[in-house]
Amino acid sequence: QSALTQPASVSGSPGQSITISCTGTSNDVGGYNYVSWYQQHPGKAPKLMIYDVNNRPSGVSDRFSGSKSGNTASLTISGLQAEDEADYYCSSYTGSTTVVFGGGTKLTV
Amino acid sequence: EVQLVESGGGLVKPGGSLRLSCAASGFNFINAWMDWVRQAPGRGLEWVGRIKSKGSGGTTDYAAPLKGRFAISRDDSKNTLYLQINSLQTEDTAVYYCTWSRTIFNRLDPWGQGTLVTVSS
Repeated sequence: QSALTQPASVSGSPGQSITISCTGTSNDVGGYNYVSWYQQHPGKAPKLMIYDVNNRPSGVSDRFSGSKSGNTASLTISGLQAEDEADYYCSSYTGSTTVVFGGGTKLTV
Repeated sequence: EVQLVESGGGLVKPGGSLRLSCAASGFNFINAWMDWVRQAPGRGLEWVGRIKSKGSGGTTDYAAPLKGRFAISRDDSKNTLYLQINSLQTEDTAVYYCTWSRTIFNRLDPWGQGTLVTVSS
């Protein structure tokens, strides 16, 4: 299973909105509504931010939202804050037990 | 509070073996599907494998490139997950995370703090 494709980096200014894309195939992103997004600060463990395309776990800010169109999923962060600066990874269900991640996107605020 | 704490990492020579542990608390471990994910220095996340609950068969699945050298097991009496790595290679140098797969659709939450494995002569 090939990794999902994400841009290497994105940047934005405080208060702006940014979107990170995650492109897969009809065998993963496009075939199921089960895309997750993880945030990882340097030296820290990943944290689940979005699951099932557009659901937020309890405690995650509503500035984070997810969507999907065809084989591409997106994570949007509105009202950018300094603490949003981190690496972001997408992941998709593949119809089997195996898990596939995107290559990661470094967000600079 | 759900908590996962990994241990067992360290410096190992190429060809050696290591067993990592992940102590779980705050949730019903016996019914949980558990995953291992690793991250090489400066690289992205790489899924290692999963073990289902015994109620779901207790079976394991691994990333295709890693099959054969990695073995995931669990001791439900100790709420502990294990990862045995054999024939360690320098490319196995990474932080290894355990995580709870809350649904069969790969909702991984939470993650432990990770344990660093360094393979070097």
